[in-house]
Amino acid sequence: DGGITQSPKYLFRKEGQNVTLSCEQNLNHDAMYWYRQDPGQGLRLIYYSQIVNDFQKGDIAEGYSVSREKKESFPLTVTSAQKNPTAFYLCASTEAGRSTEAFFGQGTRLTVV
Amino acid sequence: QQQVKQSPQSLIVQKGGISIINCAYENTAFDYFPWYQQFPGKGPALLIAIRPDVSEKKEGRFTISFNKSAKQFSLHIMDSQPGDSATYFCAASSGSGNTPLVFGKGTRLSVIA
Repeated sequence: DGGITQSPKYLFRKEGQNVTLSCEQNLNHDAMYWYRQDPGQGLRLIYYSQIVNDFQKGDIAEGYSVSREKKESFPLTVTSAQKNPTAFYLCASTEAGRSTEAFFGQGTRLTVV
Repeated sequence: QQQVKQSPQSLIVQKGGISIINCAYENTAFDYFPWYQQFPGKGPALLIAIRPDVSEKKEGRFTISFNKSAKQFSLHIMDSQPGDSATYFCAASSGSGNTPLVFGKGTRLSVIA
Protein backbone atom coordinates (compact mmCIF):
# COMPACT_ATOMS: atom_id res chain seq x y z
CA ASP A 1 0.00 0.00 0.00
CA GLY A 2 1.23 3.49 -0.84
CA GLY A 3 1.50 5.96 1.96
CA ILE A 4 3.57 7.90 4.45
CA THR A 5 5.20 6.27 7.42
CA GLN A 6 6.28 8.28 10.43
CA SER A 7 8.31 6.81 13.25
CA PRO A 8 8.34 6.55 16.13
CA LYS A 9 4.71 7.13 17.12
CA TYR A 10 5.75 8.37 20.57
CA LEU A 11 9.08 9.94 21.49
CA PHE A 12 10.39 11.22 24.78
CA ARG A 13 13.31 13.60 24.95
CA LYS A 14 15.29 15.05 27.75
CA GLU A 15 15.89 18.76 27.73
CA GLY A 16 19.06 19.64 25.84
CA GLN A 17 18.93 16.64 23.53
CA ASN A 18 18.47 16.60 19.79
CA VAL A 19 16.01 14.08 18.38
CA THR A 20 15.24 13.03 14.81
CA LEU A 21 11.77 12.15 13.56
CA SER A 22 11.55 9.87 10.57
CA CYS A 23 9.26 10.31 7.57
CA GLU A 24 9.24 7.94 4.58
CA GLN A 25 6.86 7.91 1.61
CA ASN A 26 6.37 5.47 -1.26
CA LEU A 27 3.93 7.62 -3.23
CA ASN A 28 6.64 8.89 -5.56
CA HIS A 29 5.77 12.44 -4.53
CA ASP A 30 8.26 15.18 -5.15
CA ALA A 31 7.18 17.50 -2.33
CA MET A 32 7.30 16.76 1.37
CA TYR A 33 6.33 18.84 4.40
CA TRP A 34 6.62 18.95 8.18
CA TYR A 35 3.85 20.48 10.25
CA ARG A 36 3.58 20.98 13.96
CA GLN A 37 0.20 20.66 15.68
CA ASP A 38 -0.61 22.17 19.06
CA PRO A 39 -4.09 22.29 20.65
CA GLY A 40 -6.10 25.16 19.20
CA GLN A 41 -3.28 26.20 16.84
CA GLY A 42 -4.03 24.19 13.76
CA LEU A 43 -1.16 22.90 11.65
CA ARG A 44 1.84 25.19 11.34
CA LEU A 45 4.47 24.65 8.66
CA ILE A 46 8.02 23.96 9.86
CA TYR A 47 9.92 23.07 6.68
CA TYR A 48 9.12 21.84 3.20
CA SER A 49 11.00 20.38 0.28
CA GLN A 50 9.89 20.36 -3.34
CA ILE A 51 12.87 18.47 -4.72
CA VAL A 52 15.76 16.36 -3.50
CA ASN A 53 18.62 18.32 -1.92
CA ASP A 54 16.51 21.46 -1.58
CA PHE A 55 14.23 22.69 1.21
CA GLN A 56 12.67 25.90 2.46
CA LYS A 57 11.80 27.25 5.89
CA GLY A 58 8.18 27.45 6.88
CA ASP A 59 6.56 29.73 9.43
CA ILE A 60 8.15 28.20 12.54
CA ALA A 61 11.55 26.81 11.43
CA GLU A 62 13.58 28.07 14.39
CA GLY A 63 15.02 25.21 16.41
CA TYR A 64 14.43 22.62 13.68
CA SER A 65 16.53 21.22 10.83
CA VAL A 66 15.81 18.90 7.92
CA SER A 67 17.55 17.06 5.10
CA ARG A 68 16.31 15.68 1.80
CA GLU A 69 18.96 13.32 0.46
CA LYS A 70 16.44 10.90 -1.04
CA LYS A 71 13.08 11.48 -2.66
CA GLU A 72 11.38 9.05 -0.28
CA SER A 73 12.77 10.45 2.97
CA PHE A 74 12.47 13.78 4.80
CA PRO A 75 13.71 13.49 8.40
CA LEU A 76 13.15 16.30 10.90
CA THR A 77 15.59 17.04 13.72
CA VAL A 78 14.29 18.87 16.75
CA THR A 79 17.31 20.58 18.24
CA SER A 80 17.97 21.76 21.76
CA ALA A 81 17.41 25.30 20.46
CA GLN A 82 13.68 24.62 20.13
CA LYS A 83 12.30 26.10 23.35
CA ASN A 84 8.96 24.34 23.42
CA PRO A 85 9.28 21.11 21.45
CA THR A 86 6.43 19.14 23.05
CA ALA A 87 3.87 18.75 20.24
CA PHE A 88 2.36 16.44 17.65
CA TYR A 89 4.44 16.41 14.46
CA LEU A 90 2.94 15.57 11.09
CA CYS A 91 4.70 14.77 7.85
CA ALA A 92 2.92 15.13 4.51
CA SER A 93 3.63 14.80 0.80
CA THR A 94 2.13 16.05 -2.45
CA GLU A 95 2.83 15.96 -6.13
CA ALA A 96 4.90 19.00 -7.03
CA GLY A 97 3.99 21.79 -9.40
CA ARG A 98 0.26 22.09 -8.71
CA SER A 99 -2.16 22.23 -5.82
CA THR A 100 -3.24 18.70 -5.04
CA GLU A 101 -4.19 16.47 -2.14
CA ALA A 102 -1.68 16.29 0.69
CA PHE A 103 -1.25 12.84 2.20
CA PHE A 104 -0.35 12.77 5.88
CA GLY A 105 1.44 10.28 8.06
CA GLN A 106 0.02 9.16 11.40
CA GLY A 107 2.17 11.61 13.35
CA THR A 108 4.81 11.50 16.05
CA ARG A 109 3.99 12.78 19.51
CA LEU A 110 7.12 14.28 21.06
CA THR A 111 7.26 14.92 24.78
CA VAL A 112 10.10 16.62 26.62
CA VAL A 113 10.70 15.11 30.04
CA GLN B 1 -0.76 37.03 10.16
CA GLN B 2 -3.23 34.20 9.79
CA GLN B 3 -3.98 33.56 6.13
CA VAL B 4 -6.97 31.28 6.68
CA LYS B 5 -9.44 32.04 9.47
CA GLN B 6 -11.74 29.26 10.60
CA SER B 7 -14.81 29.36 12.81
CA PRO B 8 -16.20 28.18 15.11
CA GLN B 9 -13.50 26.62 17.29
CA SER B 10 -15.93 24.01 18.53
CA LEU B 11 -19.37 22.86 17.52
CA ILE B 12 -21.95 20.58 19.09
CA VAL B 13 -24.67 19.23 16.82
CA GLN B 14 -27.53 16.84 17.41
CA LYS B 15 -27.52 13.58 15.48
CA GLY B 16 -29.27 14.15 12.16
CA GLY B 17 -28.60 17.88 12.20
CA ILE B 18 -26.50 20.03 9.88
CA SER B 19 -22.94 20.98 10.86
CA ILE B 20 -21.57 24.16 9.29
CA ILE B 21 -17.96 25.31 9.50
CA ASN B 22 -16.75 28.51 7.89
CA CYS B 23 -13.41 29.72 6.57
CA ALA B 24 -12.17 33.01 5.15
CA TYR B 25 -8.94 33.74 3.30
CA GLU B 26 -7.00 36.79 2.19
CA ASN B 27 -4.64 35.62 -0.55
CA THR B 28 -6.39 35.89 -3.92
CA ALA B 29 -3.72 33.63 -5.44
CA PHE B 30 -5.14 30.62 -3.58
CA ASP B 31 -6.66 28.19 -6.06
CA TYR B 32 -7.24 25.02 -4.06
CA PHE B 33 -9.42 24.75 -0.96
CA PRO B 34 -9.51 21.37 0.79
CA TRP B 35 -11.13 20.25 4.01
CA TYR B 36 -9.38 17.70 6.18
CA GLN B 37 -10.84 15.45 8.87
CA GLN B 38 -8.73 14.34 11.82
CA PHE B 39 -9.50 11.80 14.52
CA PRO B 40 -7.59 11.87 17.83
CA GLY B 41 -4.04 10.56 17.54
CA LYS B 42 -4.25 10.24 13.76
CA GLY B 43 -3.03 12.26 10.82
CA PRO B 44 -5.52 14.42 8.89
CA ALA B 45 -7.19 12.89 5.84
CA LEU B 46 -8.67 14.71 2.88
CA LEU B 47 -12.45 14.91 3.09
CA ILE B 48 -13.40 17.07 0.11
CA ALA B 49 -11.80 19.86 -1.92
CA ILE B 50 -12.87 22.59 -4.32
CA ARG B 51 -11.26 24.87 -6.89
CA PRO B 52 -12.49 28.43 -7.58
CA ASP B 53 -14.11 27.61 -10.93
CA VAL B 54 -17.17 26.16 -9.16
CA SER B 55 -19.33 27.51 -6.34
CA GLU B 56 -20.33 24.22 -4.79
CA LYS B 57 -19.15 20.64 -4.59
CA LYS B 58 -21.01 17.78 -3.01
CA GLU B 59 -19.78 14.34 -2.02
CA GLY B 60 -22.31 12.28 -0.15
CA ARG B 61 -23.30 14.13 3.02
CA PHE B 62 -20.45 16.64 2.68
CA THR B 63 -20.75 19.87 0.67
CA ILE B 64 -18.33 22.74 0.14
CA SER B 65 -19.81 26.13 -0.69
CA PHE B 66 -17.39 28.63 -2.19
CA ASN B 67 -17.86 32.40 -2.52
CA LYS B 68 -14.96 33.84 -4.50
CA SER B 69 -15.99 37.48 -4.20
CA ALA B 70 -16.29 37.24 -0.43
CA LYS B 71 -13.18 35.05 -0.18
CA GLN B 72 -15.05 32.56 1.97
CA PHE B 73 -15.79 28.88 1.85
CA SER B 74 -17.70 26.57 4.12
CA LEU B 75 -18.23 22.91 4.88
CA HIS B 76 -21.73 21.57 5.41
CA ILE B 77 -22.25 18.12 6.89
CA MET B 78 -25.81 16.95 6.36
CA ASP B 79 -27.47 14.34 8.59
CA SER B 80 -24.54 14.55 11.03
CA GLN B 81 -23.65 11.27 12.75
CA PRO B 82 -21.69 10.48 15.94
CA GLY B 83 -19.00 8.99 13.71
CA ASP B 84 -18.48 12.47 12.23
CA SER B 85 -17.16 13.66 15.60
CA ALA B 86 -13.63 14.81 14.79
CA THR B 87 -11.57 17.92 14.21
CA TYR B 88 -12.01 19.57 10.83
CA PHE B 89 -9.46 21.81 9.17
CA CYS B 90 -9.91 24.04 6.17
CA ALA B 91 -6.85 24.85 4.10
CA ALA B 92 -5.74 26.72 1.02
CA SER B 93 -2.83 26.73 -1.38
CA SER B 94 -1.68 28.30 -4.62
CA GLY B 95 -0.60 26.17 -7.54
CA SER B 96 0.75 29.15 -9.44
CA GLY B 97 2.88 30.14 -6.47
CA ASN B 98 3.62 26.52 -5.64
CA THR B 99 2.90 27.29 -2.01
CA PRO B 100 2.32 24.71 0.70
CA LEU B 101 -1.10 24.27 2.25
CA VAL B 102 -2.01 26.89 4.83
CA PHE B 103 -4.40 25.60 7.47
CA GLY B 104 -7.09 27.11 9.62
CA LYS B 105 -6.93 26.48 13.35
CA GLY B 106 -9.50 23.72 13.26
CA THR B 107 -13.03 23.05 14.50
CA ARG B 108 -13.76 20.31 16.99
CA LEU B 109 -17.13 18.81 16.07
CA SER B 110 -19.12 16.72 18.52
CA VAL B 111 -22.28 15.02 17.27
CA ILE B 112 -24.48 13.91 20.13
CA ALA B 113 -27.31 11.42 20.02
